Amino acid sequence: AQKITQTQPGMFVQEKEAVTLDCTYDTSDPSYGLFWYKQPSSGEMIFLIYQGSYDQQNATEGRYSLNFQKARKSANLVISASQLGDSAMYFCAMRVVNNDMRFGAGTRLTVKP
Amino acid sequence: DAGITQSPRHKVTETGTPVTLRCHQTENHRYMYWYRQDPGHGLRLIHYSYGVKDTDKGEVSDGYSVSRSKTEDFLLTLESATSSQTSVYFCAISEDTGGNTEAFFGQGTRLTVV
Repeated sequence: AQKITQTQPGMFVQEKEAVTLDCTYDTSDPSYGLFWYKQPSSGEMIFLIYQGSYDQQNATEGRYSLNFQKARKSANLVISASQLGDSAMYFCAMRVVNNDMRFGAGTRLTVKP
Repeated sequence: DAGITQSPRHKVTETGTPVTLRCHQTENHRYMYWYRQDPGHGLRLIHYSYGVKDTDKGEVSDGYSVSRSKTEDFLLTLESATSSQTSVYFCAISEDTGGNTEAFFGQGTRLTVV
């Protein structure tokens, strides 16, 4: 069975600094995808970034990058140059081929001015 | 933005009453999902559908049923609502179940059972 773990219930970061949100996963399947979603206070789920299990390079999307360490089964989200609008819940998720998407418990990020 | 509409957006209902939540998509995606979101648990899958009239249970399916009579509509029914079903419910869609396929979410339905 697939499992996603986010151990940080809440994180604080100063505006303009970088922050890392942790995510570890567990699966015996060699083919899977890892995803990060942002949920602002308005409640919608916004897709941020994707990493495939066979991808050689870490994924990047603007200020978001995914620090993928396959041997350690971790897929941490790095947000560079934090902005006040980055304050939100962040969810890590995993999908194994031909299976549904499973989510971690989430991390609430607060950006301080 | 993916065309996913959930209705209603907010609902308060009494214990023991039936409740149906609707998810409507305009993307013609084959796969549709119902999740519930609760503090400390993230999103947990209730039921999903892989085609018209094809559905299966997720990890927290007890007390819920679903139906999909058309590609675009996926209904979630609470036959007899309980207070433990107070939650935010999200519908999601995806084109396929490949490992690299993201899911697109509706805006959520906040359900309160009193």
